[in-house]
Amino acid sequence: DTAVSQTPKYLVTQMGNDKSIKCEQNLGHDTMYWYKQDSKKFLKIMFSYNNKELIINETVPNRFSPKSPDKAHLNLHINSLELGDSAVYFCASSRTSGTGGGETQYFGPGTRLLVL
Amino acid sequence: QKEVEQDPGPLSVPEGAIVSLNCTYSNSAFQYFMWYRQYSRKGPELLMYTYSSGNKEDGRFTAQVDKSSKYISLFIRDSQPSDSATYLCAMSRVNAGGTSYGKLTFGQGTILTVHP
Repeated sequence: DTAVSQTPKYLVTQMGNDKSIKCEQNLGHDTMYWYKQDSKKFLKIMFSYNNKELIINETVPNRFSPKSPDKAHLNLHINSLELGDSAVYFCASSRTSGTGGGETQYFGPGTRLLVL
Repeated sequence: QKEVEQDPGPLSVPEGAIVSLNCTYSNSAFQYFMWYRQYSRKGPELLMYTYSSGNKEDGRFTAQVDKSSKYISLFIRDSQPSDSATYLCAMSRVNAGGTSYGKLTFGQGTILTVHP
């Protein structure tokens, strides 16, 4: 069974479009994250949710909006896509940050987004 | 200057060699130190984590943290072709209770190739 899954794996779209990426974890964790990995492999956190509550919100354009319908799911919606949004987006999950578990994060396989 | 600096390599070694991977950091508030391994087109997976200074060993892998020098290392003994991957160091601060915030700051990653 896949622990952290993301859909889709690949996303090719035109500039200006709106797209969503979905993430699900079956590890029973209550904290989930979105990361962006650029072409130089630099991995940077974007958002974190704990029990459906936003707890980390880095300096990310407000075109990016995360949504957590329940603690096993965290989706990322991107409006008005730009060329610079092309990257690999990773979802991750962990036990509650603040009890020593936040550092043990389990990553999904990534969604490769290409904006043309 | 980035908070975490890591030499991107690439690093190429023969099978059986001892590999040394390093990161330096500038934020003295970092207390949790992690090493992730990322195979091509996959998500990062946690190899090891340590809290504060000291050494930790797990099989062929040894992690070292020197907080006085703001320097962490990962050693791989008897390296195998299956160790070929990108190795990412990551760090996080702790809250007043001494537990992790869950916000990881990553190095750029070092690309390692172990050839037979």
